[in-house]
Amino acid sequence: SAVISQKPSRDICQRGTSLTIQCQVDSQVTMMFWYRQQPGQSLTLIATANQGSEATYESGFVIDKFPISRPNLTFSTLTVSNMSPEDSSIYLCSVYTPTEAFFGQGTRLTVV
Amino acid sequence: SQQGEEDPQALSIQEGENATMNCSYKTSINNLQWYRQNSGRGLVHLILIRSNEREKHSGRLRVTLDTSKKSSSLLITASRAADTASYFCATDRSAGNKLTFGGGTRVLVKP
Repeated sequence: SAVISQKPSRDICQRGTSLTIQCQVDSQVTMMFWYRQQPGQSLTLIATANQGSEATYESGFVIDKFPISRPNLTFSTLTVSNMSPEDSSIYLCSVYTPTEAFFGQGTRLTVV
Repeated sequence: SQQGEEDPQALSIQEGENATMNCSYKTSINNLQWYRQNSGRGLVHLILIRSNEREKHSGRLRVTLDTSKKSSSLLITASRAADTASYFCATDRSAGNKLTFGGGTRVLVKP
């Protein structure tokens, strides 16, 4: 199992600013995943963060908008850059064993 | 992109009734998993069914998988108010690589 601490749990930000979300895992993991969940929608994978290499982004997501750091095997950050109201979502980090995914509690972001 | 579709999108039942929700997906899979999300928080894993399995039980949960139809169903028996949540199916195409989530079903269990 894995316990993931994610912060902040929520934030209200001005458009044009950036927010960095942090995730700490209680064990070493190779890959960490970042998801976006728009209001009333399902989870969409933003990128996969590997330690020691650049993140792999899914179609529709770019590094300039969502830069990711992965300095070690237990920690990752996702930055939402130059925010607009359309970025208002829940952002979730996750780790995945072969049989189960574990999630942080999510960051509820509102952009005004 | 989302792999699967779920139906219904929303379900309202009385406590004690059964809740059934369905998930369809598009490509071959290694396994399919179901998750619960309470009030926009982190997801919690409920059950996994492998592509060579047809049915699985865990407590009040029953999951079926039909790979020929590329569909799965989740049954919650004797529902409780605490079962009120959103339920998502997720498919794993290659055993531990990454998950693709369905659209979700919002379940409301009325006391």
